[in-house]
Amino acid sequence: DAMVIQNPRYQVTQFGKPVTLSCSQTLNHNVMYWYQQKSSQAPKLLFHYYDKDFNNEADTPDNFQSRRPNTSFCFLDIRSPGLGDAAMYLCATSRARDRAYEQYFGPGTRLTVT
Amino acid sequence: GQSLEQPSEVTAVEGAIVQINCTYQTSGFYGLSWYQQHDGGAPTFLSYNALDGLEETGRFSSFLSRSDSYGYLLLQELQMKDSASYFCAGETDSWGKLQFGAGTQVVVTP
Repeated sequence: DAMVIQNPRYQVTQFGKPVTLSCSQTLNHNVMYWYQQKSSQAPKLLFHYYDKDFNNEADTPDNFQSRRPNTSFCFLDIRSPGLGDAAMYLCATSRARDRAYEQYFGPGTRLTVT
Repeated sequence: GQSLEQPSEVTAVEGAIVQINCTYQTSGFYGLSWYQQHDGGAPTFLSYNALDGLEETGRFSSFLSRSDSYGYLLLQELQMKDSASYFCAGETDSWGKLQFGAGTQVVVTP
C-alpha cells in the first residue's frame, strides 16, 4: 500500500543533542510538510516543500531545519533540542499544491527531550 | 491574525448525531477540510468544502457557508470508534497550506 512512513516512531534525545527525524513516501506526491503537534493541540506547520521549493513558516525557530534530497524523502533536523521541543512530529504529503486540502499523514515521531 | 474556532469537547451516546461547528477568521480562504485523529494516531482526511453547501460521505457530512465564515461536520449514527479528535483546517493561501483549528474531542458513550 502506498503510504507515508516515519522513522523512528519514538525518539529520545538529550537537551542540546542534535536529532534527525525522517519521512518517506511511496505516494509520489509533490508536496511534503512537517508539522509539530503538542499534547491536545492542533498540528502546527513548520515547513513545506513543493517539489524542491522550500517554504519556511515565519515563526518556525531557527533551531529547526529541513532537507528534501529527492521526491520520496524528507528530513527534519533539530540542531539543539530544548525541553520545549518535546512533541509529536508529523510528516504529511499532498498530491499537488492545489490539493493541499487533502493531506496524507504519517504515524508521527514522538520526540522526548531529557 | 488567522484563527479557526471549534468547541473543545462534545459527548454523545452511540447512535446519536453530533455537529461540530467551526468558525474561521482568515485573511485568505480557499476551502475548509476536516480531519479525524484517534488518540496516538495520525490525522486522516475526512472531507473538504470549497463551495457553499453540504458534502456527504457516508455517515459524515460537512457544510460550508462562506458568507458566514462558518462550517460544520455532522457525524450521524455515532459509533464507539468515532471517539476521536476532529480538526477543521482552513486552506488559507494558494501555496498549499492548512491552518488547523484546536480540535474537538468527541466522546461516544454506550
